[in-house]
Amino acid sequence: EDKVVQSPLSLVVHEGDTVTLNCSYEVTNFRSLLWYKQEKKAPTFLFMLTSSGIEKKSGRLSSILDKKELFSILNITATQTGDSAVYLCAVEADRGSTLGRLYFGRGTQLTVWP
Amino acid sequence: GAGVSQSPRYKVAKRGQDVALRCDPISGHVSLFWYQQALGQGPEFLTYFQNEAQLDKSGLPSDRFFAERPEGSVSTLKIQRTQQEDSAVYLCASSDLTGWKLFFGSGTQLSVL
Repeated sequence: EDKVVQSPLSLVVHEGDTVTLNCSYEVTNFRSLLWYKQEKKAPTFLFMLTSSGIEKKSGRLSSILDKKELFSILNITATQTGDSAVYLCAVEADRGSTLGRLYFGRGTQLTVWP
Repeated sequence: GAGVSQSPRYKVAKRGQDVALRCDPISGHVSLFWYQQALGQGPEFLTYFQNEAQLDKSGLPSDRFFAERPEGSVSTLKIQRTQQEDSAVYLCASSDLTGWKLFFGSGTQLSVL
């Protein structure tokens, strides 16, 4: 059975702290791993990772994938209150004609206190 | 449109009622997905359209759930004889043909009493 497991499920930090969010997966016919930020309802795209060991960066956020150990991490440095959200990890599996079908983890609820 | 639009934003239904949820994807996007997100859980796949063709409906939880996209743009997810376990946020997402980057709508929060 395909599954995506995120940890921790919730995290409370103070502004300026650095956080690391974890995602492990077991999915048949892996294609890519994606990170989304969900504030209120609509998940918004952060990163897509397909190759091991190549770090993707966007401002204070960065992510890396390890396809041998089947996990990814999302790092946020110098956290701000605006980073408070649920961070979702999703894995895309090759399912023939269904391009883009994602298997999501439960998410990590990040709360950043001022 | 500028983004994926879903309506209504909130829907309260009595158990046994039928509901219809609408999704207006980004113009020109070929692929359209419906996901169901229960409280405290990640989104779970329901069904996938490529243009008007429903290519994958393996995630629909029962035959009470039905989705259509007759003209390859707007899609409707219909739930018949709603039950309490149907309470969730229903997310719609669209993408271009490459499929790798999904754009999500803000969802419809369905509460079945």
